[in-house]
Amino acid sequence: EAGVAQSPRYKIIEKRQSVAFWCNPISGHATLYWYQQILGQGPKLLIQFQNNGVVDDSQLPKDRFSAERLKGVDSTLKIQPAKLEDSAVYLCASSLRLAGAETQYFGPGTRLLVL
Amino acid sequence: QQQVKQSPQSLIVQKGGISIINCAYENTAFDYFPWYQQFPGKGPALLIAIRPDVSEKKEGRFTISFNKSAKQFSLHIMDSQPGDSATYFCAASIRGGSQGNLIFGKGTKLSVKP
Repeated sequence: EAGVAQSPRYKIIEKRQSVAFWCNPISGHATLYWYQQILGQGPKLLIQFQNNGVVDDSQLPKDRFSAERLKGVDSTLKIQPAKLEDSAVYLCASSLRLAGAETQYFGPGTRLLVL
Repeated sequence: QQQVKQSPQSLIVQKGGISIINCAYENTAFDYFPWYQQFPGKGPALLIAIRPDVSEKKEGRFTISFNKSAKQFSLHIMDSQPGDSATYFCAASIRGGSQGNLIFGKGTKLSVKP
């Protein structure tokens, strides 16, 4: 079974530029999550989707971050404009169902450096 | 209310020794407590998880101990091996919740010396 795919793996941008990350979840997984992992910290949920609908985006900085999951499969996360404090690893995860005890499968992440 | 506090921040153990990582939570609504293992350059992967109706769960060399009254749980790695060197995250969520939110601790970087 193929895992969660993410691209690009690394990205370096100047502050105020925009950037987009792509995620392809495990086939058949209805729930998709985007996490932000700052160096030395645990992942922090930014947004979660159930199929193509948003379940929770309460921690997404909506003035600069946006995400979509068209057709309930792939998802993109965009930052516009980027700030220095956005430097982090952005992790995508998916699970079969939307439930607190469902195993979340993580992709390798996209490491973003904002200069 | 939503925090999960994890300690220590880093841990060095000799090969064959026991590694112990501790976590504490505040929200009594949490009822699912997984541990994730993360290797450099990889995403976290589920290692083992426990529900509060049991006090201990063991899978191979990995054991979770759970103390509901103290709102604490810990991961024990027996016979630690260099291949166990990774960052370990405890987490908590609400099983019956309408969302899949996992609240993660800050992580413990484990180094097992040969």
